[in-house]
Amino acid sequence: GQNIDQPTEMTATEGAIVQINCTYQTSGFNGLFWYQQHAGEAPTFLSYNVLDGLEEKGRFSSFLSRSKGYSYLLLKELQMKDSASYLCAVLGGSYIPTFGRGTSLIVHP
Amino acid sequence: GAVVSQHPSRVICKSGTSVKIECRSLDFQATTMFWYRQFPKQSLMLMATSNEGSKATYEQGVEKDKFLINHASLTLSTLTVTSAHPEDSSFYICSARRGTGEMDYGYTFGSGTRLTVV
Repeated sequence: GQNIDQPTEMTATEGAIVQINCTYQTSGFNGLFWYQQHAGEAPTFLSYNVLDGLEEKGRFSSFLSRSKGYSYLLLKELQMKDSASYLCAVLGGSYIPTFGRGTSLIVHP
Repeated sequence: GAVVSQHPSRVICKSGTSVKIECRSLDFQATTMFWYRQFPKQSLMLMATSNEGSKATYEQGVEKDKFLINHASLTLSTLTVTSAHPEDSSFYICSARRGTGEMDYGYTFGSGTRLTVV
């Protein structure tokens, strides 16, 4: 089976940097996704990591350590519109994404 | 980019009736489609996986006779909630995969369906 853990809620200030962690245990590993989801909407793709290291994409970066079963999503220069839920999803041996419970990020002025 | 259209976006139905939700891949052929359910402030829970032309594979605890999935073509999958009850009220989301070898951007989500059973 798979077990994915991420914090339930985080708060940060506009303009700051925030790091959302995700730890996982999985049988087979074919990559890890990060998605952003606003309330009442479908998730939107942010990143995909399958090799160790940091992938930078504008204000968002994602890191993966396969040996540690660990990933993080780094959001820089936070904006109010970044307030959303951030979902970590692991692609296991069956190539079916399994989602964590999501981290609700609240950005305040 | 790949687009998945999901309809309806919102539906309210009476208890005991059935509701059909459609998921279409508009500009690609989806070899596999996934159906998820999401309760408020919770994550997406996989209900079933369907491959075109074959029976869906349901996750443990999901009643296949209640949640009927049909994947008749490479661009359309439907989820029918039969004899709906208030506890079935949830956000249902489909996801389509374009095929193996495109794992990084191979999964595309529909816009979701908010089902309310009264």
